[in-house]
Amino acid sequence: GENVEQHPSTLSVQEGDSAVIKCTYSDSASNYFPWYKQELGKRPQLIIDIRSNVGEKKDQRIAVTLNKTAKHFSLHITETQPEDSAVYFCAATITDNYGQNFVFGPGTRLSVLP
Amino acid sequence: GAVVSQHPSWVICKSGTSVKIECRSLDFQATTMFWYRQFPKQSLMLMATSNEGSKATYEQGVEKDKFLINHASLTLSTLTVTSAHPEDSSFYICSARAVPGELFFGEGSRLTVL
Repeated sequence: GENVEQHPSTLSVQEGDSAVIKCTYSDSASNYFPWYKQELGKRPQLIIDIRSNVGEKKDQRIAVTLNKTAKHFSLHITETQPEDSAVYFCAATITDNYGQNFVFGPGTRLSVLP
Repeated sequence: GAVVSQHPSWVICKSGTSVKIECRSLDFQATTMFWYRQFPKQSLMLMATSNEGSKATYEQGVEKDKFLINHASLTLSTLTVTSAHPEDSSFYICSARAVPGELFFGEGSRLTVL
C-alpha cells in the first residue's frame, strides 16, 4: 500500500521568509496530491493540490511541485505571514476512486515568527 | 468547495456511556465517508471507511464493537463510541469525497470522557 513521508516535522521561519515542506510517496499509481492546513482544534482545509499530469501549480503565495520520477512533491510558501502558522499535511491517493482513502503524511508544524 | 458538517463539535461524557457523532454532507451525496482519530500533535489516523448501505471497513487495531459506524443514507454517517472510557478521549474527524480527487473534512468532534 501507499506510504507517505513528510519532512521536516517542525519548521520555524521568520516572517517574510519562504517555507518548504517535502513529501515522498511509494505507490507509483497515486496521481493526486493535496496539501491541507490544520489550525489548532480545527478541521484540515485544502490549500492546494496537484495532479500527476502537472509538474507545478501556483496559487498566490503557495506553490506545489511534483516529481513523478522521484516520487516526491513539495509545498512552497513565500512571503510567510504569522497566519500561516499551522500544521500542514500532505497526502497521496488515486483519483476517480471514491472509496479509497487518502494516505496522509505525519504533518509539519510551521511557526512563522514575527 | 463542498461542505461536510459534523456534530457535536464538543462532548463531555461519563465513563461507561455511549456517544454518537454525526457526519453530514450538506451539498453532495457521499457513498463513502471516512472516520479519523487525531491525537494531540499527531497526524490523522484512519479508523474506518463508512460505506452507504453496507458494513464499514475497519482499520487494523480498531475495535468494531467499540466504534460503531452506520452509513444510513448518502448524506449521513454516524460514529458511536460505545461504553466510552477516558482513553477514548480524542479528536474525531470525518471526511467525504465530493468529486474525483477532492476530500473535505467535517469540523471535528472533541470527545472528553471523565
